Amino acid sequence: AQKVTQAQTEISVVEKEDVTLDCVYETRDTTYYLFWYKQPPSGELVFLIRRNSFDEQNEISGRYSWNFQKSTSSFNFTITASQVVDSAVYFCALSGGAGGTSYGKLTFGQGTILTVHP
Amino acid sequence: DGGITQSPKYLFRKEGQNVTLSCEQNLNHDAMYWYRQDPGQGLRLIYYSQIVNDFQKGDIAEGYSVSREKKESFPLTVTSAQKNPTAFYLCASSPREGRRTYEQYFGPGTRLTVT
Repeated sequence: AQKVTQAQTEISVVEKEDVTLDCVYETRDTTYYLFWYKQPPSGELVFLIRRNSFDEQNEISGRYSWNFQKSTSSFNFTITASQVVDSAVYFCALSGGAGGTSYGKLTFGQGTILTVHP
Repeated sequence: DGGITQSPKYLFRKEGQNVTLSCEQNLNHDAMYWYRQDPGQGLRLIYYSQIVNDFQKGDIAEGYSVSREKKESFPLTVTSAQKNPTAFYLCASSPREGRRTYEQYFGPGTRLTVT
C-alpha cells in the first residue's frame, strides 16, 4: 500500500520568509510519480508539479522549488520569499506507474496549511 | 476554455435521499476520478474510470455509485447507504498518454450537506 506523510499540519510565516513543506512517501512500485497541489480557500486543487521516480533532478519554478531525494523517500517543497497569496493548503501526492498496483491512483498526504502574514 | 465543471457548488439533502453530483470535462481526458475531502484531511479516492464504460472502486466506494457512459461525464451518486455523506467532493481527470499522463486536474468541487 502507498502512503504519504506531510510532517507539518500548519505553518505560519511572515511575508518574505522562506518556507519548506516536508513530504515523505512509501511505495513498493519501482516506477511512481510524485505531485504537489495547492488548495486555496476556494477549494479547487491546483496542480503545481509532477516528478517521475527515475528523475531526481531538482526543479525550480519562480519562487517555488522542489527537492526530490529517493534515498530518503522525500519530496520537499520550498517557497522562497513567501507572499500572502501563497496562503493555502498544500498537498503532496503519490501515484504508481503503469503495471503497478496503484497505477493512475493518487494517494494524498493530510495537507499542510500555510498561512503567510503581511 | 478547457476545464472541469462540477455542479452545483453547494448541495443540501435530507438523510435517506440519494443525490447525484455532476462532473463534466472538455479536456478530452480518458481518465476521471472522484475524491472525498473531510475537514482537516487529505483527499480519499471513491471511484475512478480509466475509459468509457469501465470504472473501479477506490478506497472508500461503499455507499457510492458511478457511471461512465460518455467520455466527458462521470456522475457520482451518493446513496442513502453512505453513513456519513456530508463532505466536499472533488472530481478530477487526467490524460492516459502523452507528456501529461498521470497529471490529474481538478474541478471546483461540490460541498454536500446532509441533515
